[in-house]
Amino acid sequence: KNEVEQSPQNLTAQEGEFITINCSYSVGISALHWLQQHPGGGIVSLFMLSSGKKKHGRLIATINIQEKHSSLHITASHPRDSAVYICATYSGGGADGLTFGKGTHLIIQP
Amino acid sequence: EAGVAQSPRYKIIEKRQSVAFWCNPISGHATLYWYQQILGQGPKLLIQFQNNGVVDDSQLPKDRFSAERLKGVDSTLKIQPAKLEDSAVYLCASSLDRKGAPQWDLYGYTFGSGTRLTVV
Repeated sequence: KNEVEQSPQNLTAQEGEFITINCSYSVGISALHWLQQHPGGGIVSLFMLSSGKKKHGRLIATINIQEKHSSLHITASHPRDSAVYICATYSGGGADGLTFGKGTHLIIQP
Repeated sequence: EAGVAQSPRYKIIEKRQSVAFWCNPISGHATLYWYQQILGQGPKLLIQFQNNGVVDDSQLPKDRFSAERLKGVDSTLKIQPAKLEDSAVYLCASSLDRKGAPQWDLYGYTFGSGTRLTVV
């Protein structure tokens, strides 16, 4: 069974700082999602990765398949980036859903 | 494009009462998921439907939870009777299965806003 670990659990930073959130998993996967959950809101998929690196605006996601590790970076962070960021992996097998990490609670202070 | 619709947004019930949640996925999405997210944890898959058939319900507490998707479109999740530990956000998600696409390519994977259940 895949175990997904995220770090840190909580992160408070000042506006403009470079943010890194890490995700490690224990078994081989087919794909990894980074998700964003705002308080009281639903979940939005930010990235789906199977290799390499993806960039969207100020967000960058990387994955190292050999090391079973992924990172989500936020450049020039802004208070509106405050949210819970969740890493989720897909191991295949047809019927399996996603395996989720517990999330990283990010607060960006002005 | 309309998103995944869920109702109600909030529900407070007493233990041992019954409750039902409703989900309407994005039009054309064949796969529908129900997740339970307890405060401070990531979502846990309860049940996965492919059209109106159940693909995976291994983590659904079947003594009290039930779900159906009779016409392969919208779905209901029921808890009867509720326990205090059922307090959580219940999330519905749907995805589009593209013929020939890899299974891991959860194309258009979209979550609803969730229903926050409080059992007192």
